[in-house]
Amino acid sequence: DARVTQTPRHKVTEMGQEVTMRCQPILGHNTVFWYRQTMMQGLELLAYFRNRAPLDDSGMPKDRFSAEMPDATLATLKIQPSEPRDSAVYFCASGLTPDGLEFPNTEAFFGQGTRLTVV
Amino acid sequence: SQQGEEDPQALSIQEGENATMNCSYKTSINNLQWYRQNSGRGLVHLILIRSNEREKHSGRLRVTLDTSKKSSSLLITASRAADTASYFCATGFRGHQFYFGTGTSLTVIP
Repeated sequence: DARVTQTPRHKVTEMGQEVTMRCQPILGHNTVFWYRQTMMQGLELLAYFRNRAPLDDSGMPKDRFSAEMPDATLATLKIQPSEPRDSAVYFCASGLTPDGLEFPNTEAFFGQGTRLTVV
Repeated sequence: SQQGEEDPQALSIQEGENATMNCSYKTSINNLQWYRQNSGRGLVHLILIRSNEREKHSGRLRVTLDTSKKSSSLLITASRAADTASYFCATGFRGHQFYFGTGTSLTVIP
C-alpha cells in the first residue's frame, strides 16, 4: 500500500528550538511538495522539488525555514529557530512528473501531516 | 495570489441530498483537481479535470469546469454521513505551483 509517510505526527517544542520534519515520498515519485495548513491562511505551498532539485521555495520564510532532499526517499523541512506563529500542520505530498513536463499532471498524494505546536 | 476560492465556506445538508460546491480561480490553468480532507487527516484526491474538458464523472461525483468564467463545481449526489469533510480545489498553473483554495466544509446530517 503505497503512501507518503511523515514523521513525527505531532511535535511540541519551545520557541527558539530547531524543528525537523521528515517525509518519505512514494517510491518512484519524483516530485515532492511541502504545505503548511492553518485556520487563518489555509493551505500554503512552502516548497516543491522535482528530481530532488528545489524548483520553488518562494512560499517559505527563508530566514528560518529550509527544505532539502538528501536522497530520493527523504525530504526534510527544518525550522530554526521556531516561533509560536509557526504552529500549524505541515503536509508533505508527492507526485510523478512525466518527462517533458515541469509538474505532475495527475494527483498528488498527501501524508498525514505533522502537527507542530511551538510554545 | 493564484489560490482558488471555494464557495460556500460551509454547507450543511441532510443525508440523501445533493451537495454542490464551487471553486473560482484567477489565472489560466492546465488542470483543476478536487481533494477531500477529513478532520485531522491529509488530503485525498477525488478527481482531476483538464482545461480542455467541461465535465467529468466519478461515482457519485460530478465536476464541471468553465474556463471562460474561471470556475468549477463539484456535485456530490445522494450524500452520506461519511461525505462529511472539507473539500478543496487545487489549480495547476503554468505547469508549476499547486495552489489550493480555502475549502468548503461539508456536514451531512444522518
